[in-house]
Amino acid sequence: TQLLEQSPQFLSIQEGENLTVYCNSSSVFSSLQWYRQEPGEGPVLLVTVVTGGEVKKLKRLTFQFGDARKDSSLHITAAQPGDTGLYLCAGKGGGGNKLTFGTGTQLKVEL
Amino acid sequence: NAGVMQNPRHLVRRRGQEARLRCSPMKGHSHVYWYRQLPEEGLKFMVYLQKENIIDESGMPKERFSAEFPKEGPSILRIQQVVRGDSAAYFCASSPLPSLAKNIQYFGAGTRLSVL
Repeated sequence: TQLLEQSPQFLSIQEGENLTVYCNSSSVFSSLQWYRQEPGEGPVLLVTVVTGGEVKKLKRLTFQFGDARKDSSLHITAAQPGDTGLYLCAGKGGGGNKLTFGTGTQLKVEL
Repeated sequence: NAGVMQNPRHLVRRRGQEARLRCSPMKGHSHVYWYRQLPEEGLKFMVYLQKENIIDESGMPKERFSAEFPKEGPSILRIQQVVRGDSAAYFCASSPLPSLAKNIQYFGAGTRLSVL
């Protein structure tokens, strides 16, 4: 069974601060996706990383896939209240097409 | 291009009733996935379907749950004789043909099932 552990589980920060969310596993994934989910809504895709060591930037968000494709990180620079939400990593692996979701990081950015 | 459409958004059932959840994938997508999100838990895979075929149902409970994706019409997740433990948010996702490396799935807004 593939598992993805995210840390921290909860994060409350002030506007303008930087933060990093981690997504770790003992399993190798062929690709990994990051989603953000707001209350009462479905997960919204932010990015997909495929190659070990890959770095992708989306405005103030930087995503990295570990060299061994077992872990990933999401770094947010100068967080804003609009970044508030549940961040989920999800990996494809094990030969199937289903996604294994991480445990989630609940981020709250306050003014 | 409309996204993944799920209905109803909210569904209330009494114990023992049946719940039917519908999902229309994004235009051009023929692969559908159902996930369940229990309160305070992450999303768990239930079932993966293509048109008229169940490809992977490894995450679906063996009893009371079934899913279909007919040639015409939406995908249906059916829960018979619901119990309180079935209360959760059920999400549908769709994708184009997955590659060996990646499978980009787009999610609907979910159906929140409450069992009284």
